[in-house]
Amino acid sequence: ILNVEQSPQSLHVQEGDSTNFTCSFPSSNFYALHWYRWETAKSPEALFVMTLNGDEKKKGRISATLNTKEGYSYLYIKGSQPEDSATYLCAFILASGNQFYFGTGTSLTVIP
Amino acid sequence: DVKVTQSSRYLVKRTGEKVFLECVQDMDHENMFWYRQDPGLGLRLIYFSYDVKMKEKGDIPEGYSVSREKKERFSLILESASTNQTSMYLCASSLGRRGTYNEQFFGPGTRLTVL
Repeated sequence: ILNVEQSPQSLHVQEGDSTNFTCSFPSSNFYALHWYRWETAKSPEALFVMTLNGDEKKKGRISATLNTKEGYSYLYIKGSQPEDSATYLCAFILASGNQFYFGTGTSLTVIP
Repeated sequence: DVKVTQSSRYLVKRTGEKVFLECVQDMDHENMFWYRQDPGLGLRLIYFSYDVKMKEKGDIPEGYSVSREKKERFSLILESASTNQTSMYLCASSLGRRGTYNEQFFGPGTRLTVL
């Protein structure tokens, strides 16, 4: 079983604050990394699919970077809003493909 | 609107019962997955299937089996439910053949309690 670590485990920020969290994964046999957002009582939804070292993806106020050589990805949220409150999951995909290894997630609460 | 549906949101079963969890996707995806989610452990892969009648074990297949007779449907079977199988079960699907890395689409989850 591969170890995919996310930090911090949970985070409380004030509305308007910017925040970031980390996903660490094995640097060998890298194929792809996904970020998902999981809101309470809903299904996880994909935010980003990242494959290349140095990749940077952006969706509105949320962006992510990828460093495959050192085995980490950062997710940034600029100007957090209450609707950003969710658990953010990263998933590492091995070079053999198909099997996803999820981290335990970072739970973000944005306080109005 | 793409969709992955699961047969039940909440399910309560007794120890020793045979339990079927059904998942259906309407996106014509080749790949389907079953995960369980437990506090502090994240999503753990039980089984996945990359084609009809094909299945592969994930990280925690013990006590489970699966069936994929049709492309759109992937069933998870608990042969004899035990209390340690109390969990949230999530089904997902993704496009593409084995070896691809497309995003997964998740169902709403089934919260199973085994008494």
